[in-house]
Amino acid sequence: DAGVTQSPTHLIKTRGQHVTLRCSPISGHKSVSWYQQVLGQGPQFIFQYYEKEERGRGNFPDRFSARQFPNYSSELNVNALLLGDSALYLCASSLTGSNEKLFFGSGTQLSVL
Amino acid sequence: GQSLEQPSEVTAVEGAIVQINCTYQTSGFYGLSWYQQHDGGAPTFLSYNALDGLEETGRFSSFLSRSDSYGYLLLQELQMKDSASYFCAVRDWGAAGNKLTFGGGTRVLVKP
Repeated sequence: DAGVTQSPTHLIKTRGQHVTLRCSPISGHKSVSWYQQVLGQGPQFIFQYYEKEERGRGNFPDRFSARQFPNYSSELNVNALLLGDSALYLCASSLTGSNEKLFFGSGTQLSVL
Repeated sequence: GQSLEQPSEVTAVEGAIVQINCTYQTSGFYGLSWYQQHDGGAPTFLSYNALDGLEETGRFSSFLSRSDSYGYLLLQELQMKDSASYFCAVRDWGAAGNKLTFGGGTRVLVKP
């Protein structure tokens, strides 16, 4: 079975642009969470979706938004990119929305120039 | 808000035992998880403790004391492949909803 897949793997954008990151969870998993990880730090929680409903939101500005589709895949959108948005964006899926055990994708490395 | 503290770096030799401590402050605590992340890789789940006590999974064990807001990950019979960053993470429920908050990570370097 395929694990969590994310696309693209790498992305370069300029300040002010917007970006859409995509994630497909493990088959049968109904929850998707998004994290931002800056080099040398722990992942920072952005959003969690379960059954297409937002279940949790981290301390990120409104420029960050997400959604989950009927097939449980998810998109993370970031508008008006800033240099500080440069990071590894990780998607994680879990069977339920309990966050007891997350399965992470390899991430999208976003560079904002 | 939530906060987690863990040592930034630990160095040990092959075959040794390493204990990574994690203290946390949070409301609505549900459980403590541990994840391993190799350089350039994705975090992978190691263990989850919801109740006080020790959970053992092969060479790795995890402990939780809810009354002390403290847990640790024990790595035994260290191998070179255990060189990685280890993160504790608190599962809680608060104003922001359901979330998993990660600590800053402990970088473990295993030497021959």
